[in-house]
Amino acid sequence: HVLTQTPSVSVAPGQTADIACGRDNIETFSVQWYRQKPGQAPVLIVFDSDDRPSGIPERFSGSNSGNTATLTISRVEAGDEADYYCQLWDSTTYPPWVFGGGTKLTVL
Amino acid sequence: EVSLVQSGGGLIQPGGSLRLSCAVQGSPVSDTYMGWVRQRPGKGLEWLSVIYQSGGTYFADSVKGRVTMSRDVSGNTLFFDFRTLRGDDTAVYYCATLVTDLEAFDVWGQGTTITVSS
Repeated sequence: HVLTQTPSVSVAPGQTADIACGRDNIETFSVQWYRQKPGQAPVLIVFDSDDRPSGIPERFSGSNSGNTATLTISRVEAGDEADYYCQLWDSTTYPPWVFGGGTKLTVL
Repeated sequence: EVSLVQSGGGLIQPGGSLRLSCAVQGSPVSDTYMGWVRQRPGKGLEWLSVIYQSGGTYFADSVKGRVTMSRDVSGNTLFFDFRTLRGDDTAVYYCATLVTDLEAFDVWGQGTTITVSS
């Protein structure tokens, strides 16, 4: 039960970036999203598919339907350039904690 | 607010052992659900282990039998004792707190690097 992410997404500043995470019936799971800038630790930016931790801008939003969970970044800024990882926990599989392969967001 | 400060790591020969430390600030380590995640060079995130508030532990196959986790209550620190290191253990290792039920990694340490090489 691999989480599939597109390796790279490119978007111009001010536009919207959609980063997808695919898996059968992913809508039945709580999905997390992490942002990782070069040389830094990951940061949780979306949890439970569509909630944001305090301090994360509203520009970052999550959705989850069918076989795809999506992280949407509105009004993209140069500082959003980073790797983004999805993650979920499935008690019926091993390992239970699974990360997607990551998506590199490039701001043109 | 919880924060994590990591130490340990370094260059180690194959077959060697190493201890990683994760000092917890803002919460008693014995009451904190925590785990470890690693990132090999140029690769994605890989879950390695968790330790529950009860002290129970759960490990990924990639490290099972080679890793012990323990907690020092007086120092409020989580330890990751790693032995029989191999070349493919070369990575940045992160400790993190987890949110119960969501199983989300919500606070991360800064990471520490293990390089396994002769």
